Amino acid sequence: GAVVSQHPSWVICKSGTSVKIECRSLDFQATTMFWYRQFPKQSLMLMATSNEGSKATYEQGVEKDKFLINHASLTLSTLTVTSAHPEDSSFYICSATSIRTGVEKLFFGSGTQLSVL
Amino acid sequence: TQLLEQSPQFLSIQEGENLTVYCNSSSVFSSLQWYRQEPGEGPVLLVTVVTGGEVKKLKRLTFQFGDARKDSSLHITAAQPGDTGLYLCAGASSNDYKLSFGAGTTVTVRA
Repeated sequence: GAVVSQHPSWVICKSGTSVKIECRSLDFQATTMFWYRQFPKQSLMLMATSNEGSKATYEQGVEKDKFLINHASLTLSTLTVTSAHPEDSSFYICSATSIRTGVEKLFFGSGTQLSVL
Repeated sequence: TQLLEQSPQFLSIQEGENLTVYCNSSSVFSSLQWYRQEPGEGPVLLVTVVTGGEVKKLKRLTFQFGDARKDSSLHITAAQPGDTGLYLCAGASSNDYKLSFGAGTTVTVRA
């Protein structure tokens, strides 16, 4: 089946630094990728939707200058947390789908645990 | 984004018991999905239901989609410790490309 690879699995960084998280679709062309944030034992909160070749659409309350999303190719989307602070510590998950399969076939990455010291 | 209410929030049962998780909304969904997520990992799709009144079975798991496509339930028979995890329902509408997730149900099955 389709596989979405997310890297890194975990990252620890100092406050003020930037962190980049990659999400790759390994065996299909992901026209749309979604980025979520999740706190312990809570549900996924959609942060933004990115379509290949266009600007990401951010959900209300998500700072686009803080969370930079790039979807430059059909197999790769990146989320950069700029000037990270301890409150940005969270589990970040990406998911990917293609126009052909639609949102009913959504494949998730394994997540990235970000800890900001 | 449509709201999906999931209940209960937490469920702790003994191995061998049955459990049911509910997912309700005032909105109609074109499809509804159930996921299971373990700590430190991404959600894994269990099932997608599309037709109102549809019932799908996956071994000891039974999924039902309400007739009006506004609600769904997940029933686990004879739960095992391996069923422990966070169960999430997510709905998709025909005019929205995004999934709306429920708050999740943390299920703990004690041996």
